[in-house]
Amino acid sequence: QVQLVESGGGVVQPGRSLRLSCAASGFTFSSYGMHWVRQAPGKGLEWVAVIYYDGSNKYYADSVKGRFTISRDNSKNTLYLQMNSLRAEDTAVYYCARDYRVVTAIMPHYWGQGTLVTVSS
Amino acid sequence: QSALTQPASVSGSPGQSITISCTGTSSDVGGYNYVSWYQQHPGKAPKLMIYEVSNRPSGVSNRFSGSKSGNTASLTISGLQAEDEADYYCNSYTSSSTVVFGGGTKLTVL
Repeated sequence: QVQLVESGGGVVQPGRSLRLSCAASGFTFSSYGMHWVRQAPGKGLEWVAVIYYDGSNKYYADSVKGRFTISRDNSKNTLYLQMNSLRAEDTAVYYCARDYRVVTAIMPHYWGQGTLVTVSS
Repeated sequence: QSALTQPASVSGSPGQSITISCTGTSSDVGGYNYVSWYQQHPGKAPKLMIYEVSNRPSGVSNRFSGSKSGNTASLTISGLQAEDEADYYCNSYTSSSTVVFGGGTKLTVL
């Protein structure tokens, strides 16, 4: 079955960097677009970024553009989110999610359990 | 990238039906049939309930249904059950090749 396991969260000071990872299994990772979605404490879901199945295209929410970078290593079945210049408002649970169909990068389907990032001095 | 508009809360009694609306623009909800709905229980990851406006993934109860008219999508839950109490989010693909969520709706089963 599809399994997504996020890691790399923790407490980080404002202005610093953090890299999240998402280990995928149970499906052909290299065939699916992958998303990052976050949820601030007590708030709703906010889409962060998407990467095509082959890494050829990447798109970002305006709130993170220029600070966050999504990438993937299909040989390791792993998705990444490099987060730079972190702000207090980036504090959230970060979920990785697989797209709903092969090749597309349109709609999150399967989700991991999330990793908490806390930006605080 | 403005969030889609959902009511903050809805409620219904067991056995009743409720509908949650999701309003966007012609650049997202109205422009594509790539609208989805997610259910999230407290402390849990979201679960896809409806995709492509009205399709149910395998294993999702047929009490859940979706539709769309113009720039507004809707999720209807019939025969409300206690376990349906959760937060619900709509989602749409956009003309910028990004994805946008609604603000979420808290469903209370009375």
